[in-house]
Amino acid sequence: GAVVSQHPSWVICKSGTSVKIECRSLDFQATTMFWYRQFPKQSLMLMATSNEGSKATYEQGVEKDKFLINHASLTLSTLTVTSAHPEDSSFYICSARDSGRSYNEQFFGPGTRLTVL
Amino acid sequence: DAKTTQPNSMESNEEEPVHLPCNHSTISGTDYIHWYRQLPSQGPEYVIHGLTSNVNNRMASLAIAEDRKSSTLILHRATLRDAAVYYCILRVGFSGNTPLVFGKGTRLSVIA
Repeated sequence: GAVVSQHPSWVICKSGTSVKIECRSLDFQATTMFWYRQFPKQSLMLMATSNEGSKATYEQGVEKDKFLINHASLTLSTLTVTSAHPEDSSFYICSARDSGRSYNEQFFGPGTRLTVL
Repeated sequence: DAKTTQPNSMESNEEEPVHLPCNHSTISGTDYIHWYRQLPSQGPEYVIHGLTSNVNNRMASLAIAEDRKSSTLILHRATLRDAAVYYCILRVGFSGNTPLVFGKGTRLSVIA
């Protein structure tokens, strides 16, 4: 149980286009999801906290108008990278907390590799 | 969250035990010690967590120092599939919506 999926697993796009990444909790409900970004050979960096039915909370230095987050249901959060540029190329990972569990374990998706040409 | 310090890399022979250390000298009484690992090109996965007592599960053991200023993740028999980056993370409390904040972790290499 406690599976988190991401779609797509990889995407290549041209500079200036927008890309949407989906994060789904497959067998549990998640009132809170988190979005991370990871550059090669570096650790995960928290981008934002996504709460179902409300606005996301962004970490310092993350542009909320560039990285649009929508958490419209208890099983789906989306991250849209608007007007993507080569410097946005990265590995994007989402995670979700199972609202039904007392222990605050975070379950991670497999990641989405974005390449902007 | 309090900061942790881990060696950048470690190496182990296959089938041998591995002890991955983590220092967290500024840990507070409400901080839980979490270990996650990230295999190449994958999202992180939960390994183990603890507060004060040593913990065992099917993946690993967690040994926590009496003063809680350090801990050690123990893989009893390393396999090639255990090659990953291991992250030691402190987080306040047992529940709630605070996210995991990742440090640099320890890159474990397993030699056949």
